Amino acid sequence: DSGVTQTPKHLITATGQRVTLRCSPRSGDLSVYWYQQSLDQGLQFLIQYYNGEERAKGNILERFSAQQFPDLHSELNLSSLELGDSALYFCASSPGGRANTGELFFGEGSRLTVL
Amino acid sequence: EDQVTQSPEALRLQEGESSSLNCSYTVSGLRGLFWYRQDPGKGPEFLFTLYSAGEEKEKERLKATLTKKESFLHITAPKPEDSATYLCAAATPAAGNKLTFGGGTRVLVKP
Repeated sequence: DSGVTQTPKHLITATGQRVTLRCSPRSGDLSVYWYQQSLDQGLQFLIQYYNGEERAKGNILERFSAQQFPDLHSELNLSSLELGDSALYFCASSPGGRANTGELFFGEGSRLTVL
Repeated sequence: EDQVTQSPEALRLQEGESSSLNCSYTVSGLRGLFWYRQDPGKGPEFLFTLYSAGEEKEKERLKATLTKKESFLHITAPKPEDSATYLCAAATPAAGNKLTFGGGTRVLVKP
């Protein structure tokens, strides 16, 4: 158990809909990362937050947005869903700042299926 | 652009048959090279971090090594429970603290 909690584990929805994925980082970790993993793309970095502020952005679509709250949990919002958005979405956390040694600790993922 | 490439894509081994997985990287200023294990439907599980060429780390039947251009994950006398996808990832100063992952090697160990 990595200590990173993601909900929901599975989600089935229709095209055009909007969903929210939630992540609670390990206790004490300030950085949260979101990754998307699909069969043909591997693990793709979406976005990183550090202590509530956006720190880095990857290949995140404009239809997607995220935020990190004062209690350090994070949410990834996916809107106007398309079939191609079906994937596993992982949240990872790390201490961040001076305590950061580089490794990320991943949650179990949220499997999104868009029909 | 930072690139991490893993080979082979898939590997089928008999129990006890040792082998090596390759991770080659083209990055600007490697800060760290990471190995993860991922079981189907699960999140990646951290295995090792290597920081400089010549460094080696071991854990049970796994041993990771690093050169200036690539890293190897050696699996010695594997068991069926070593079956998983092994991912490597690079961290670079330009990328901040995010990791750039390779495509992974799917390892199947048959009894």
